[in-house]
Amino acid sequence: GNSVTQMEGPVTLSEEAFLTINCTYTATGYPSLFWYVQYPGEGLQLLLKATKADDKGSNKGFEATYRKETTSFHLEKGSVQVSDSAVYFCALSGTSYGKLTFGQGTILTVHP
Amino acid sequence: AAGVIQSPRHLIKEKRETATLKCYPIPRHDTVYWYQQGPGQDPQFLISFYEKMQSDKGSIPDRFSAQQFSDYHSELNMSSLELGDSALYFCASSLDRRNEQYFGPGTRLTVT
Repeated sequence: GNSVTQMEGPVTLSEEAFLTINCTYTATGYPSLFWYVQYPGEGLQLLLKATKADDKGSNKGFEATYRKETTSFHLEKGSVQVSDSAVYFCALSGTSYGKLTFGQGTILTVHP
Repeated sequence: AAGVIQSPRHLIKEKRETATLKCYPIPRHDTVYWYQQGPGQDPQFLISFYEKMQSDKGSIPDRFSAQQFSDYHSELNMSSLELGDSALYFCASSLDRRNEQYFGPGTRLTVT
């Protein structure tokens, strides 16, 4: 079955630092890949997506590139802000009916 | 822009009681998904509906049932509640199964 693995443990950064959150996946066929963000006490918001190999999704300074050869979709941001503190979920949608499979989530805390 | 509406936002029930969660998708969205997120966990897919028909089923207990109505809203019915059912329940909607999902704010269910 499909699965998503995110880097373990919370990430703590200072403001303006570079962010990378690793995400790798296992899936049959050609899944679509997503990053969702969850702020405290809120629902999941779609941050960015990529639907085919070598696609780059980007939004609000965040980027991720769909790498089929390494089955990865790492999230990056050049300069994080305190307001980026949240939980980030990598997810994939396979070819059948669109249900999402999520990674474990990564807690990001950014200090001033 | 209109978002996914879920009600109630918070619900407290006792063991063995019944709960009904409601989801109103974004207008013109024809697909609804239900997810369960336990404390500190990633969301787990429960069930989905496309054009009022069940389209996929995940790890949904037999004690739970759901349906999508003619106006596309959906209800998740949970019976014989157990302590382990305490979680955040998200509804998401999409326009067709192949498009990205938009999540509601969730219903926090506490079973005592």
